[in-house]
Amino acid sequence: GESVGLHLPTLSVQEGDNSIINCAYSNSASDYFIWYKQESGKGPQFIIDIRSNMDKRQGQRVTVLLNKTVKHLSLQIAATQPGDSAVYFCAEISYYGNNRLAFGKGNQVVVIP
Amino acid sequence: NAGVTQTPKFRVLKTGQSMTLLCAQDMNHEYMYWYRQDPGMGLRLIHYSVGEGTTAKGEVPDGYNVSRLKKQNFLLGLESAAPSQTSVYFCASSARALTEAFFGQGTRLTVV
Repeated sequence: GESVGLHLPTLSVQEGDNSIINCAYSNSASDYFIWYKQESGKGPQFIIDIRSNMDKRQGQRVTVLLNKTVKHLSLQIAATQPGDSAVYFCAEISYYGNNRLAFGKGNQVVVIP
Repeated sequence: NAGVTQTPKFRVLKTGQSMTLLCAQDMNHEYMYWYRQDPGMGLRLIHYSVGEGTTAKGEVPDGYNVSRLKKQNFLLGLESAAPSQTSVYFCASSARALTEAFFGQGTRLTVV
């Protein structure tokens, strides 16, 4: 069937290695950022979020880093597993802007067993 | 808990036909969104709502209309379907502006 991962940047990573997925966001006034994971045939699922007054936040096996100076967001996945194979999207929202949750184009992660 | 439910899951339309996609959420969320997803394009916002009775345009609103008559429902209408509207449509909801959005399972629409 149709894949949302077509034509997306792809990161191939060996199982057990760490993954780093990058995202450049567009709005310097964005207040809140979210990373979503989307598996084939499913809707996006929340992974981790970070507010603009923070530069790092850790979850279970995942860490999000925010660099507001260069408008860059990254998601680090520790000890990547086959179940991490998916398309990953960053999303941003500005509270005092238009309140739209805007998504980046996505990055495909392929975990090699 | 059902979360966000979209109806239908699949639909094939002929050019010029109309249809309504239904999104229902049982989390008492204020915000609701409709996105379309095309290969390599990510998710693009069509319309959204920040509360019952309110709607606003997103990035790609042309050819679509929405209504939020009840807090739990957000309807997306296509008055005259075009092949360019072939896509996977996702609905999402969030409690407030700066909180995570929960997504439905998607509706795959094909316009022939």
